[in-house]
Order: sequence, then structure tokens, then C-alpha cells
Amino acid sequence: IAGITQAPTSQILAAGRRMTLRCTQDMRHNAMYWYRQDLGLGLRLIHYSNTAGTTGKGEVPDGYSVSRANTDDFPLTLASAVPSQTSVYFCASSRTGTGLTEAFFGQGTRLTVV
Amino acid sequence: AQKVTQAQTEISVVEKEDVTLDCVYETRDTTYYLFWYKQPPSGELVFLIRRNSFDEQNEISGRYSWNFQKSTSSFNFTITASQVVDSAVYFCAVTGANNLFFGTGTRLTVIP
Repeated sequence: IAGITQAPTSQILAAGRRMTLRCTQDMRHNAMYWYRQDLGLGLRLIHYSNTAGTTGKGEVPDGYSVSRANTDDFPLTLASAVPSQTSVYFCASSRTGTGLTEAFFGQGTRLTVV
Repeated sequence: AQKVTQAQTEISVVEKEDVTLDCVYETRDTTYYLFWYKQPPSGELVFLIRRNSFDEQNEISGRYSWNFQKSTSSFNFTITASQVVDSAVYFCAVTGANNLFFGTGTRLTVIP
């Protein structure tokens, strides 16, 4: 049982570098999400996609981009990383849009920008 | 906009004690869903429960129970006879606008 797979598990990245966090789900869920988790702030939505081919901005989209070429994959790209993007990133999916079913989360990617 | 407040940042209890984690939410939506997630030390997020805004019945699942009171916008979570394995950070969340709005979490430590 895979569910949602994120890669890499952790990464140390030099500021200014480009980085793509990968997320793949095998549950054929329509909706996918990227959250960042920061101490004292909980989880905040970066970008979402309600179905393949569409994406939308969440609460904290600046500095990030996403694409949804197919149902299974939802990569998150940092075009030019900055230290404030040091965080734990979680990918999630749900069968339909948020609220209709529970969201399943990946194991997280711990990113440190130095 | 939606907002979730988990006023208890950290709670410590001795094993076998009961503990209640508080959650107060804000939303202007008439239909919404509430969630609880558990994040153990290993870091993954584990779904515990979903409740829709029209169902105010309390729910019990083993040692876990949830009390939803729409009148006070609260969705509290009680663990009965706590165990060391319950040690984790617990998040409450409310839906809205293609998003799950999370609280800042409550760290529960169960002392053996």
C-alpha cells in the first residue's frame, strides 16, 4: 500500500538554487494539495489542484509553483530558494475537493535552505 | 475567513488519565467539515475523524471521543485512559475555499 509518496525525504539546499519536490499518489484522487508546516503556525496551504490540468493558489503561494499534468503527480517547485522556505512540506490528496472526503498526507519532505 | 484556535499548546498527563484537547473554529460557511489529525513523533499526519456541520452527534471510537457543539463553535477531542502511544501533536482543522485550515496544534505528552 503506497498511498502518497514524497521525494526526497529531506534536503539541504543552497539559497538561490532551484528545487522540485515530488509527490505521487496511487489512489486516483482528483484533488491534491501542498502544505508547509512551521513551528507555531500549523500547516498552511501553498497550492492546490482540484483535478488534473487545474491548479490554484493557497494561503502562502509566493515563491512556489505547481503543475498537474496528470492525476497522479503534483510536483512543487521552488524557483530560487530562500532561507524562509526552510520548512517541512506535506503533499496531500483527497478523492474530491476538500471537505467531501478526508485528506491523506504523504510522509513529508524536510527542506533546509542555507 | 476560516480560523481554528487550539489554545492548549502543550499538555502533559500521566498514563491512564483522561485528557481533552480543545478546538474552537470560525467560519462563515453554512456547510463545512471538521477534522482531527494526529502527528506522532515519526512526523506523518494520521487522519482521525471527519464531522460535517449538520451532524452534531458525539462520536466514540474506542478510547477516543469527540464532542461537536455548533452553538459554541467547538469540536473537542477526548482521549480516555491515555497511553504512551498517544503522545503526539494533534491538529484540528476546518474546511473552506479549497483548503483545510489547521490550528497550530496541541502537543500531548503521556508520561508512563
